[in-house]
Amino acid sequence: EVQLVESGGALVQPGGSLRLSCAASGFSFSNYWMDWVRQAPGKGLEWVANIKFDGSEKYYVDSVRGRFTISRDNAKNSVYLQMNSLRAEDTAKYYCSRQLAEWGQGTLVTVSS
Amino acid sequence: DIQMTQSPSSLSASIGDRVTITCRASQGIASKFAWYQQKPGKAPKRLLYEASILDSGVPSRFSGSGSGTEFTLTISSLQPEDFATYSCLQYNSYPRTFGQGTRVGIK
Repeated sequence: EVQLVESGGALVQPGGSLRLSCAASGFSFSNYWMDWVRQAPGKGLEWVANIKFDGSEKYYVDSVRGRFTISRDNAKNSVYLQMNSLRAEDTAKYYCSRQLAEWGQGTLVTVSS
Repeated sequence: DIQMTQSPSSLSASIGDRVTITCRASQGIASKFAWYQQKPGKAPKRLLYEASILDSGVPSRFSGSGSGTEFTLTISSLQPEDFATYSCLQYNSYPRTFGQGTRVGIK
């Protein structure tokens, strides 16, 4: 069974940084692209970024490019989202997903002073 | 970026009703398209991918059709557990983009 468990969400001040983690199990992690998707309170889903199975390709939505970095460690079956220069509009629940098919339960990021 | 426009944004229906939700893409996306169901406080659950392929374990009352720019999700006979928000996704190009969601409520 595919399991994805996000962690690292927190309350952070504007301009701050946060690193989200997603621990994967139940499948051959190094064979799959991984995605991060977010959902602001009461709003729709927004795709944030993804990373190829070997880490050689990464894609971002324009609103986070240059501030967020996606990475992975296949030895640890984990994918990460480093978030810098956080803004109030980054407040959301962040979901880790295996190729937008299976999803974790999400971790909440709140950017507020 | 490809814009995905869902309609309606919300609807009310009764148990047993046939429900149809439409999603239009601002440009052609072939069949690189999926539908998701989300219940309050829960993660999205993918129902269909490649526009019409049902995910494993998804009831057959759910079906999808379309290609290019117009896509449809049909629930043939609405059940109590189907009251939720449904969202579409295009994965033909970057950035991936979702529709704004359709809330299906109880009439």
